[in-house]
Amino acid sequence: EDQVTQSPEALRLQEGESSSLNCSYTVSGLRGLFWYRQDPGKGPEFLFTLYSAGEEKEKERLKATLTKKESFLHITAPKPEDSATYLCAVQAGGATNKLIFGTGTLLAVQP
Amino acid sequence: DVKVTQSSRYLVKRTGEKVFLECVQDMDHENMFWYRQDPGLGLRLIYFSYDVKMKEKGDIPEGYSVSREKKERFSLILESASTNQTSMYLCASSSSGQGETQYFGPGTRLLVL
Repeated sequence: EDQVTQSPEALRLQEGESSSLNCSYTVSGLRGLFWYRQDPGKGPEFLFTLYSAGEEKEKERLKATLTKKESFLHITAPKPEDSATYLCAVQAGGATNKLIFGTGTLLAVQP
Repeated sequence: DVKVTQSSRYLVKRTGEKVFLECVQDMDHENMFWYRQDPGLGLRLIYFSYDVKMKEKGDIPEGYSVSREKKERFSLILESASTNQTSMYLCASSSSGQGETQYFGPGTRLLVL
């Protein structure tokens, strides 16, 4: 069965303290892995799409990487405004465009 | 920029009422999706549509129906709202093709009393 697991469930960092969020997946034929940011009471905001192992993408203080079993979202020198829930989702092989979501990592960055 | 809009940010309804949630996208996307999001359960797919007048059941379709009469608009219908349908409802759209990104609307927080 296709599955996505994110860890940790919650993470508290001091401003400037770099860390990584993990997304482990089990899927038959990965078509894409997606990272989203979600602020409280709002819809998820797209961050990155990764398609194949070894691929990396960066945006400001965020960098996403992908292996055959997991993806990491690295946060370098975070600021309080990076506080949010980060969601990972995978699109499996097959005819549909369905995404399978993890339950997210709640990140709090303290000044 | 892709824009997905939802008709209401907050709704309060009574048990047994018929509820309509509307979603509109402006990017000519073929695919549209309805999810609900609950604490600890993540996003769960209710229904999706890959073309006008086409619909497919997601993982939790019970108690819901959908309508897609125009390409840009996808409606979620709760035929007879129940308290266990209190949730955050999220609409998304995407182009067809491998690994196409889904773009989300702002969400509708529905409370059923």
